[in-house]
Formats: sequence, structure tokens, C-alpha cells
Amino acid sequence: AQSVAQPEDQVNVAEGNPLTVKCTYSVSGNPYLFWYVQYPNRGLQFLLKYITGDNLVKGSYGFEAEFNKSQTSFHLKKPSALVSDSALYFCAVSPYGGSQGNLIFGKGTKLSVKP
Amino acid sequence: DAGVIQSPRHEVTEMGQEVTLRCKPISGHNSLFWYRQTMMRGLELLIYFNNNVPIDDSGMPEDRFSAKMPNASFSTLKIQPSEPRDSAVYFCASSLPFFGENTEAFFGQGTRLTVV
Repeated sequence: AQSVAQPEDQVNVAEGNPLTVKCTYSVSGNPYLFWYVQYPNRGLQFLLKYITGDNLVKGSYGFEAEFNKSQTSFHLKKPSALVSDSALYFCAVSPYGGSQGNLIFGKGTKLSVKP
Repeated sequence: DAGVIQSPRHEVTEMGQEVTLRCKPISGHNSLFWYRQTMMRGLELLIYFNNNVPIDDSGMPEDRFSAKMPNASFSTLKIQPSEPRDSAVYFCASSLPFFGENTEAFFGQGTRLTVV
């Protein structure tokens, strides 16, 4: 079965410290990988994606993610966290190189950044 | 573009009533998705359309749920009859067909459905 796992329900970080939100996947074919962020009472907003090429992908708001094929992971990172980064983060995958046009989401990780 | 537009934003209905959720995708997007979000199950894909044709409806929970896309600019998700366990936030998203270098899914603000 094709799936995305976000092993941590919540990540707590102090402002200014680096943050990592973990994601692993299990899909057929070459995956397209995405990160979305959801603020309270809002829809999901696109952060970044990996399609092909460089394993380190840079996205919005200073976030980046590293694709690791051998570990089937796509962890989200930021060098210095802000209080305003506090939100719900979703990892998603589109199997078969995106050819099926659908997204499978992880359950989400709540990021809490304290001053 | 105003983005993906969903209506209503909030819906409270009594068990047994029919509920219709509406979505207007971004102009030019050929793919449309309906997702349901709950605390217990996270984000679940219910159905998605390409060029107004349903491609995969395996996520639709039961026959009480139906979705239509009569044209490229409008889709509905209907629940009849509604039950309390249908209470959730329903998201619509749209994208260009098949993901690539310049595509990703854009989400609407969601409809918060409460069935009492």
C-alpha cells in the first residue's frame, strides 16, 4: 500500500533554533514529494516540492527539505525557527512520478515554536 | 485569480438532511480533488477529477456520498442523508493535470461541516 508517515504528532522548538519535521514514504515508482503548511482555520498552503534533480529543495519562508532515496525520507528543515512558523505541517506524495495526479498525505505534524 | 473558492465556509445541519458543498477551481486547472480532514483520520482523498471526469472515487466512504463536476469551473460534493460521523472539514483542491516542474495542488479554505 502506498503511504506517507510523519512519525511525530508534535515538534517543539525554541525560537532561533533549527527545526526538523520528519517524513518517510512508501510508494510505487518515482515519487513526487511535497510539503504543505496549514494555519488555524485555513486551507493548506504549498511550501516546496521535490520532482527530480538536486536532493536539497528550497521553498517558501526559509524552509528546505532533503530527499533521501535510500532512506525513503523527505524531512523538512529550517535553520532558525520563528514563532510564526507554528502551524500544522503535512508531507504528501504523488506516486508514479506524478502521472496519476493525486496526492497522498501524512497525518500531519504540529510544530510549536516558543519564544 | 482568487484561488480555489469553496462554499459555504461553515455548515451546520441535522442528521438525515442533505448537504451540498461547492467548489470553484482555479481557472485553467484541469484536475480537481475533494479531501476530508478529521482529527482521527487526517487528510483523506475522497475523489478526484481530470477534465471533469472522475478518475478515482475509491476514497468515497459510502453511497451516501456523491460528487459531480458538470463543467470545468464547478464541482459539488453531496451527502445524503448526512450523519454525525460526517462532521469534518472538507477541502477542495485544484491543479494542472499531472504534477510537474510548475504544478502543485492549490487548496480552498475548506467547509467545516457539523452534523447534529
